Amino acid sequence: KAGVTQTPRYLIKTRGQQVTLSCSPISGHRSVSWYQQTPGQGLQFLFEYFSETQRNKGNFPGRFSGRQFSNSRSEMNVSTLELGDSALYLCASSSKREGLVEQFFGPGTRLTVL
Amino acid sequence: AQSVTQLGSHVSVSEGALVLLRCNYSSSVPPYLFWYVQYPNQGLQLLLKYTTGATLVKGINGFEAEFKKSETSFHLTKPSAHMSDAAEYFCAVSVGNSGNTGKLIFGQGTTLQVKP
Repeated sequence: KAGVTQTPRYLIKTRGQQVTLSCSPISGHRSVSWYQQTPGQGLQFLFEYFSETQRNKGNFPGRFSGRQFSNSRSEMNVSTLELGDSALYLCASSSKREGLVEQFFGPGTRLTVL
Repeated sequence: AQSVTQLGSHVSVSEGALVLLRCNYSSSVPPYLFWYVQYPNQGLQLLLKYTTGATLVKGINGFEAEFKKSETSFHLTKPSAHMSDAAEYFCAVSVGNSGNTGKLIFGQGTTLQVKP
């Protein structure tokens, strides 16, 4: 099975712009979660989508949004970019094995905001 | 609410020495616990997980962890470090009952350095 893929791998934007990141989950996985990783704050949960519905949400401002399509692919959008949004954005897709939601991570998208 | 604390942001060991990375958790419900490893410029790879049952969990690459409820700990160990083990390690707890959500709370991470 192919793993989780994220595109693009690297992005450079300027303050005030918006950006859209894409995540393709492992085939058959219906849950996609997004995380932000920064040196200062570490790994922080953004949101989770399951069957096109947002199931969980982290403590991020409304500039961060996401969606999931019927084929389970997910996108996240950040509007009005700020310098502090520079981070590695990780996507994870989930399967339920033994009653546990086990997450598989993609390689991430490195976003730099200038 | 669940939380995770990793003691020591940086651990340095010699090749062949014991690796011990510490993780303490807080959870109001029985926790589902994980250790992930991250190599430079890569995503996270699952090393091992604890759900229920046996408290000593074996993972990939010779790592294991022991769940100790009385100490609220889930420390990661490996008897003999390899150079290839140099990476950043994250302890995480799954939010919600039975780990039934795709939301993980991570510790701050521990960078493992392996000296020749």
